[in-house]
Amino acid sequence: DAKTTQPPSMDCAEGRAANLPCNHSTISGNEYVYWYRQIHSQGPQYIIHGLKNNETNEMASLIITEDRKSSTLILPHATLRDTAVYYCIVDAGGTSYGKLTFGQGTILTVHP
Amino acid sequence: SAVISQKPSRDICQRGTSLTIQCQVDSQVTMMFWYRQQPGQSLTLIATANQGSEATYESGFVIDKFPISRPNLTFSTLTVSNMSPEDSSIYLCSVSTGYGYTFGSGTRLTVV
Repeated sequence: DAKTTQPPSMDCAEGRAANLPCNHSTISGNEYVYWYRQIHSQGPQYIIHGLKNNETNEMASLIITEDRKSSTLILPHATLRDTAVYYCIVDAGGTSYGKLTFGQGTILTVHP
Repeated sequence: SAVISQKPSRDICQRGTSLTIQCQVDSQVTMMFWYRQQPGQSLTLIATANQGSEATYESGFVIDKFPISRPNLTFSTLTVSNMSPEDSSIYLCSVSTGYGYTFGSGTRLTVV
């Protein structure tokens, strides 16, 4: 079973910020939160990851709550090309290295 | 990050036949991972392929059905054997990078 819970779908207007929530209430202390997205059934694309602190890169920002039980991926200025399925995954590596458990993700639709 | 070339990108195969999918990475990696994505579903890990040892299969996947080769640190193959229409899926390989995991573009398999 997936260790994360995400809303099945969200809409966003082009140019606005898209805020995608994820619940991971059973996350362990050594597990990172990763976000990937999949466009048109291509291979998933890495977006961002974090452990405790908020993170930002050229694609997105990741906000992790202090108790680490939930996080939000922020696409600051969504474009039509950001329409995709977004997956939130927790991964500790170690003996579970590479065993990413994908949930159903959130279908984000960016409309004009 | 690593660049993965996956072949073929798609194929239509007759039931009872086998298809071998190739995954080439532009750098040496210790582990390679094979995933399956059934129509409308999320990704499921099939197996982990280490160079020089037998692949490790996840529950529900067996070597006779999905034999894997890993002859060197940049290449792996996954064979889908004795195919049936239920094997129609997208098959993806993945490797670990310094920022999570990189996925190939996938092989869309249709069994008729």
